[in-house]
Amino acid sequence: GESVGLHLPTLSVQEGDNSIINCAYSNSASDYFIWYKQESGKGPQFIIDIRSNMDKRQGQRVTVLLNKTVKHLSLQIAATQPGDSAVYFCAEIHYKLTFGKGTLLTVNP
Amino acid sequence: DAGVIQSPRHEVTEMGQEVTLRCKPISGHNSLFWYRQTMMRGLELLIYFNNNVPIDDSGMPEDRFSAKMPNASFSTLKIQPSEPRDSAVYFCASSKTFGNSPLHFGNGTRLTVT
Repeated sequence: GESVGLHLPTLSVQEGDNSIINCAYSNSASDYFIWYKQESGKGPQFIIDIRSNMDKRQGQRVTVLLNKTVKHLSLQIAATQPGDSAVYFCAEIHYKLTFGKGTLLTVNP
Repeated sequence: DAGVIQSPRHEVTEMGQEVTLRCKPISGHNSLFWYRQTMMRGLELLIYFNNNVPIDDSGMPEDRFSAKMPNASFSTLKIQPSEPRDSAVYFCASSKTFGNSPLHFGNGTRLTVT
């Protein structure tokens, strides 16, 4: 029979709160990392990227943190809005881009 | 700006039929990628091209799948013959350079094989 589908981690926050989405990557040789947002019926949308020679990078309302020692990425969203509700994927690049499993963010009004 | 354009948006076909998915990458992008997304496996890389040349097709499930990039502005992913387990959303993405710039995705083709 069919195996069960992916069980996405879920994060539920109140509108206006800050959100932190975490991701563990697998390849210590990966040198470029990207966060994507995917809304229902759409393709993944680029949010922010960071290279391995950096620990932190800020965009508009978003910050990405990279901890190479423990192979961990996080995405911080400030003042989360209902429009931020989506699935968020981290991705690592070492010759090719590999996606993580994704986190479902739900913003409650 | 025109993003990555995929067609069709939806495709419903019967098992055994040939299916062709199409992609127009962003102009000036040198790399093109085909991904498949399912609930079971998430986003899987099928194949990618750099300067129209296939670089890695190790993600292509089996010989029923083939992809071509005859020029810098067009790529196809073909499944022949299609099977119900091929049902998924297929995404095309492109990037300016290979390996160090973000991929930009189309909105996908939802394929249903009955």
